[in-house]
Amino acid sequence: KAGVTQTPRYLIKTRGQQVTLSCSPISGHRSVSWYQQTPGQGLQFLFEYFSETQRNKGNFPGRFSGRQFSNSRSEMNVSTLELGDSALYLCASSLVDSLNTEAFFGQGTRLTVV
Amino acid sequence: KQEVTQIPAALSVPEGENLVLNCSFTDSAIYNLQWFRQDPGKGLTSLLLIQSSQREQTSGRLNASLDKSSGRSTLYIAASQPGDSATYLCAVGVQGAQKLVFGQGTRLTINP
Repeated sequence: KAGVTQTPRYLIKTRGQQVTLSCSPISGHRSVSWYQQTPGQGLQFLFEYFSETQRNKGNFPGRFSGRQFSNSRSEMNVSTLELGDSALYLCASSLVDSLNTEAFFGQGTRLTVV
Repeated sequence: KQEVTQIPAALSVPEGENLVLNCSFTDSAIYNLQWFRQDPGKGLTSLLLIQSSQREQTSGRLNASLDKSSGRSTLYIAASQPGDSATYLCAVGVQGAQKLVFGQGTRLTINP
């Protein structure tokens, strides 16, 4: 059974550009969550989707957005990139939601903004 | 606001020792608590999930306990091995919100 797949694994972007990250959950999982990990702030929640609906959003500016497709795959987009957006972006999937069932994480996308 | 703290931030022990990692949280209204392992530059690997109604879970050499009333969880690793070296993170599922709140992690080094 394939795990959570995130693409691309690495990205280098310039300030002001925008970026789209992709996450394919484990087959059958309907909940997808996104987290940002930095050395200073640790892991911080970005947003969670279930059946194409965003159920919760973390305390991030509107430049961070996401969506979920009917096949449960999810994308997150960051517009007008800033140096501080450099981080490891992690996606997690779970059968129903990350509260009642185990959350499984992908390998992450390492974003570097220069 | 739920806050999760892990102590110590780093731990170095010789191979073969049994060890305990600590996790504390400020709000006892949690759905569950999950322990993860993260190797450098990699994603998170789920180790154990404890539902709020449970007191402990075991998997191989790992045992995790949960005391909701005191806001504490411990991860016990028996007979540590160099391959156990990694950062260990605990996360609580927050009631009323579809999210996990993470601690800052404990960086564990097992010396051969």
